Amino acid sequence: AQSVAQPEDQVNVAEGNPLTVKCTYSVSGNPYLFWYVQYPNRGLQFLLKYITGDNLVKGSYGFEAEFNKSQTSFHLKKPSALVSDSALYFCAVRDYSNTGKLIFGQGTTLQVKP
Amino acid sequence: NAGVTQTPKFQVLKTGQSMTLQCAQDMNHNSMYWYRQDPGMGLRLIYYSASEGTTDKGEVPNGYNVSRLNKREFSLRLESAAPSQTSVYFCASTLDHVAGTGELFFGEGSRLTVL
Repeated sequence: AQSVAQPEDQVNVAEGNPLTVKCTYSVSGNPYLFWYVQYPNRGLQFLLKYITGDNLVKGSYGFEAEFNKSQTSFHLKKPSALVSDSALYFCAVRDYSNTGKLIFGQGTTLQVKP
Repeated sequence: NAGVTQTPKFQVLKTGQSMTLQCAQDMNHNSMYWYRQDPGMGLRLIYYSASEGTTDKGEVPNGYNVSRLNKREFSLRLESAAPSQTSVYFCASTLDHVAGTGELFFGEGSRLTVL
């Protein structure tokens, strides 16, 4: 069965510093991987996805993610964090049951301090 | 462009009461989903509808029923609410669950408290 894990409940970084939010996955074939962001009292917003091709995927708001097949990871990165990046981030993998559903990790809270 | 619209945004119920959460999308998407979000547990799938006229159980379907009323609308019903159903509920949709590359579009959520 497909699954994703986000090993950190919370990540703290200073504004202007690079940030990384970690995600590892377990799938039986080639993964479709996603990152979403959730601001307080809001729905989830799509950031980026990896389907195939380049291992470095660029997305919204300056975020990017690196797909690493050997390490089964898909870490979210940003070169310079902003206070406004503070939010809850979810990694997800598409289920291979042909239903289109996504399987989500537990979420990582990102706190960017001024 | 409204995207995915959920109603109500907030609801307080007493144990045993029933209610229906409504969801509508205006993106001509084929597939729709209901998730619940609980602290530390991410999002868990309750029910989904791969296409109009079909519905299937997800990971946590007990205590819920759904109706795919038409292509736009997908409702979630709690027949006899329990405190364990206190959660934030999200409706989502995607264009094509087979051919699409998979990103889901989410509503703003419905916050339900069962006393």
